[in-house]
Order: sequence, then C-alpha cells, then structure tokens
Amino acid sequence: AQKITQTQPGMFVQEKEAVTLDCTYDTSDQSYGLFWYKQPSSGEMIFLIYQGSYDEQNATEGRYSLNFQKARKSANLVISASQLGDSAMYFCAMRVTSGTYKYIFGTGTRLKVLA
Amino acid sequence: DTGVSQDPRHKITKRGQNVTFRCDPISEHNRLYWYRQTLGQGPEFLTYFQNEAQLEKSRLLSDRFSAERPKGSFSTLEIQRTEQGDSAMYLCASSQGRSYEQYFGPGTRLTVT
Repeated sequence: AQKITQTQPGMFVQEKEAVTLDCTYDTSDQSYGLFWYKQPSSGEMIFLIYQGSYDEQNATEGRYSLNFQKARKSANLVISASQLGDSAMYFCAMRVTSGTYKYIFGTGTRLKVLA
Repeated sequence: DTGVSQDPRHKITKRGQNVTFRCDPISEHNRLYWYRQTLGQGPEFLTYFQNEAQLEKSRLLSDRFSAERPKGSFSTLEIQRTEQGDSAMYLCASSQGRSYEQYFGPGTRLTVT
C-alpha cells in the first residue's frame, strides 16, 4: 500500500532563513511522482513542486527545492529565504503512475514564519 | 482561464438530509478529482473521472456517496442521508492529459448538525 508520512506537525522559521519540511513515502511501485502543495488559511491548495521517480536531478522552482533521496524514500521540501507569506500548511503527496491517477496526501506540516 | 470553481462554498444541513455539491473544472481538463479533508488532515482521495468515466473510487466512499460527470464537463457529488461524520471540506481538482499538476478549487465546507 502507498503511504506518505510527515512527522513534523508544526515548524517555526525566522524570516529570510531556509527551512526543510520532511516527507517520507512508501510504495512498491518503481514509477511514481512526488508533490508538494501549500494550503494557506484561505483553504485553497496550491501546487509548488514535482519530482518524478526517474528524475536524476532534484526539482527546483524558484525558492522551493525538493531534496529527493530515493534509497531512503524521502522527498523533503526546502524553502529558501522564507517570507511571511510562506506561513501555511504544507502537504506532501504521491501519485503512483502505473494504472492509476490517484493521489495520496500526508497529514501536513504547519509552517509559521516569524518576523 | 477562470480556474476550478465549486458551489456552494458553505453548506449547513441537518442529519439525514441529502446534499449535492458542484465542481466546474478548468475547461480543457479531462481529469477531475474529489477529495475530503477534515480538520488537521490532508486531503483524502474519494474518486476521479477521466472525461465522463468514473475510473476509481475510494473504499471511503460509502453507498451514500455518489458522483457524476455527465458529458465530461462539470461534476456533482451527492451525499444521501448525511451523518455528522460527513462534516468536512470537500475539494475538487482537475488536471489535463498526462500532466501531473492538479488545480484545486476553493472547496465546499459541509457542516452536518
């Protein structure tokens, strides 16, 4: 069975510093995708970054990068130069790409950026 | 591109009543997903459509839940004989073709009293 685990219920970071949000996953499939979404207090889920299981390089999107360690089954999100607007819930998700387009989400990490 | 829209945004109903939610995906998107999100949890997959075909349903989706996507455009999610445990945010998302990126709507918050 597929599973996403986020062990940090809450995190604090000082403005302008970098922060790492942890995510581990479990799947027996070889082909899968890993995602991070941001959910501000307004409630809408915002796509941040994607990493395919066969991608050799870590994904980057602006201030977001995904630290993908396949052997450890981890897909941590790194946010550089944190901004006050980064305060939100962050969800890690996985989609197995063989025969299904179903997404599985973790329980999330609430990030608070301090001024 | 107006994004994914959901209606209503909020619904309060009494236990035992039926409710129906609507989702309008981004117009060219052929995949549509429904999720349920309770407080402090991540979205839980309920079902998804590719065009008008419902291709997968979660075991979480009891017989009281039904979803349709006639003509492969908008979708409806109906909950019959609502229970207090159905209180949650119901999220809709859409995606196109082989793209991995889902676009989410603002959600419908259901409160069952």
